[in-house]
Amino acid sequence: ELKVEQNPLFLSMQEGKNYTIYCNYSTTSDRLYWYRQDPGKSLESLFVLLSNGAVKQEGRLMASLDTKARLSTLHITAAVHDLSATYFCAVLRYNNNDMRFGAGTRLTVKP
Amino acid sequence: SAVISQKPSRDICQRGTSLTIQCQVDSQVTMMFWYRQQPGQSLTLIATANQGSEATYESGFVIDKFPISRPNLTFSTLTVSNMSPEDSSIYLCSVASGVGETQYFGPGTRLLVL
Repeated sequence: ELKVEQNPLFLSMQEGKNYTIYCNYSTTSDRLYWYRQDPGKSLESLFVLLSNGAVKQEGRLMASLDTKARLSTLHITAAVHDLSATYFCAVLRYNNNDMRFGAGTRLTVKP
Repeated sequence: SAVISQKPSRDICQRGTSLTIQCQVDSQVTMMFWYRQQPGQSLTLIATANQGSEATYESGFVIDKFPISRPNLTFSTLTVSNMSPEDSSIYLCSVASGVGETQYFGPGTRLLVL
């Protein structure tokens, strides 16, 4: 069974600091996604990572994928308050179109 | 990305009743999905709805409780039947242009069952 674990589940950061969110998954996957969810809102797609060593960056967020370690990271650089949200990773296996979400990381950036 | 709308955006229902949630997309999409999200929790896939075929349900979800329709490539409905307070949740539809493609999510329907 495909399992996805994120950590930490809660993260409180000071503005300007750096931090990394980790996403581990249990079996071989075909794609990995990162989403953002603001309170009371739906999910916004951030990144899709397709292959080992893939790295994508958008503003202060950078996502990477290591398929051998079954690990993806979401790195936050010089955090700002606007990044406060819940971040989910999700992993897809093609053969049965099985997509599982991690528990989410609730990020709070404090001034 | 597609523009997705859901109706209703929120509802308060009495136990034992049923509610049908609509999901409309502004372009034709191959795949549509229905998820449930408990407050403060992650997403759980209920079923995959592809046009022209029966919906595929995940373990723990059954058609009698969550009947789904997919009459065309831009529209789907999810019915929550014989509701109980445990069905109180956010119900989200998402769409994808094909297997493995990024899923885009609707705004969600917030359901409270009394």
